[in-house]
Amino acid sequence: NAGVTQTPKFQVLKTGQSMTLQCAQDMNHEYMSWYRQDPGMGLRLIHYSVGAGITDQGEVPNGYNVSRSTTEDFPLRLLSAAPSQTSVYFCASSRDRGGEKLFFGSGTQLSVL
Amino acid sequence: GESVGLHLPTLSVQEGDNSIINCAYSNSASDYFIWYKQESGKGPQFIIDIRSNMDKRQGQRVTVLLNKTVKHLSLQIAATQPGDSAVYFCAETSFNKFYFGSGTKLNVKP
Repeated sequence: NAGVTQTPKFQVLKTGQSMTLQCAQDMNHEYMSWYRQDPGMGLRLIHYSVGAGITDQGEVPNGYNVSRSTTEDFPLRLLSAAPSQTSVYFCASSRDRGGEKLFFGSGTQLSVL
Repeated sequence: GESVGLHLPTLSVQEGDNSIINCAYSNSASDYFIWYKQESGKGPQFIIDIRSNMDKRQGQRVTVLLNKTVKHLSLQIAATQPGDSAVYFCAETSFNKFYFGSGTKLNVKP
């Protein structure tokens, strides 16, 4: 049982480049979400989805896009990377719409130069 | 936005002692609360949860207390072990969104 799988684990980008962080879960969870974690700060919600075809913004959505074409996958796209997006990104899923515990991936450490 | 905060950024305890980590939340409509443990370089790991219709829940060596009157959540770890050293986060959920506190670092001294 793989749980929540994130790729890549590490990534270095130049300012202005675009990329996609991948997230997949094999638990048939309806709810999926993306967070960023900066030093000394809690996890901040970027985007979330309550089911295939449905996405919504979190606290810090600017500069990021998401889509949910299947239950299993929830990729996060950086359209034009900026140094302010240097962070550790976590994908998480849960069985219910925020009413059940979140299962987290192992994270992606992103540096934007 | 919502506010979930922790009273102490760093807590040092002796191995074998009990640890108490506190958390304040601001949204009285939140109905579900979770504690997570995060070790260095890893994703947060679920410890224990509690719903708003309860005031106490126990797990293995851990207890969560919820005081809705003062909007306070605490995590108690019994007989703290070196493996408990980590950052601990509380989280609340409201309207499909989870809100996390900034975390408390627990140092367990041998």
